[in-house]
Amino acid sequence: NAGVTQTPKFQVLKTGQSMTLQCAQDMNHEYMSWYRQDPGMGLRLIHYSVGAGITDQGEVPNGYNVSRSTTEDFPLRLLSAAPSQTSVYFCASKLTTGSWPEAFFGQGTRLTVV
Amino acid sequence: AQSVTQLGSHVSVSEGALVLLRCNYSSSVPPYLFWYVQYPNQGLQLLLKYTSAATLVKGINGFEAEFKKSETSFHLTKPSAHMSDAAEYFCAVSENKAAGNKLTFGGGTRVLVKP
Repeated sequence: NAGVTQTPKFQVLKTGQSMTLQCAQDMNHEYMSWYRQDPGMGLRLIHYSVGAGITDQGEVPNGYNVSRSTTEDFPLRLLSAAPSQTSVYFCASKLTTGSWPEAFFGQGTRLTVV
Repeated sequence: AQSVTQLGSHVSVSEGALVLLRCNYSSSVPPYLFWYVQYPNQGLQLLLKYTSAATLVKGINGFEAEFKKSETSFHLTKPSAHMSDAAEYFCAVSENKAAGNKLTFGGGTRVLVKP
């Protein structure tokens, strides 16, 4: 029972490079989301998905794309990385949109853009 | 718009002493409030939640929080700190259950426990 799995755990990118942060959950959760964590700012919602094929923007979506082709996977894409995207990224899931946010969080991906 | 303010980005307590982490919120509707804990190199774990039932909420690991509407506060306490409580704590607010994952987080308070 893995819960929410994020890969990679660490990544260094050069400005302008692209990459995909992977997130997978094995709990058959409908709802998945991506947050970024920056010092003193808590976590901010980037994108979320209420089910396969459905995604929507959160608080800070610019510079990020998502897709949800399966229930299990919710990858986050950076098309052209910028230093402002240096952050720790967390993927989270919960059973349904209407359930309490006892979200399960992954262990995070620490991304540095140089 | 909802917002959360956590007073003090760092708190240092002695082992066995009271832990008090402050959280004030603003919300245009009765809020749902949460405390999460993040241990080093880990994701967030829910400590407790307020969902408009009892105003004193008990969570895991001996933590509790009291919702005070008049003060728009939801402070987290633990009577006696343990070394294992060293972590970062986040207060969060949501304005409705369906928007649950659209949580607004405070900036976090890092707790250091001294032996």
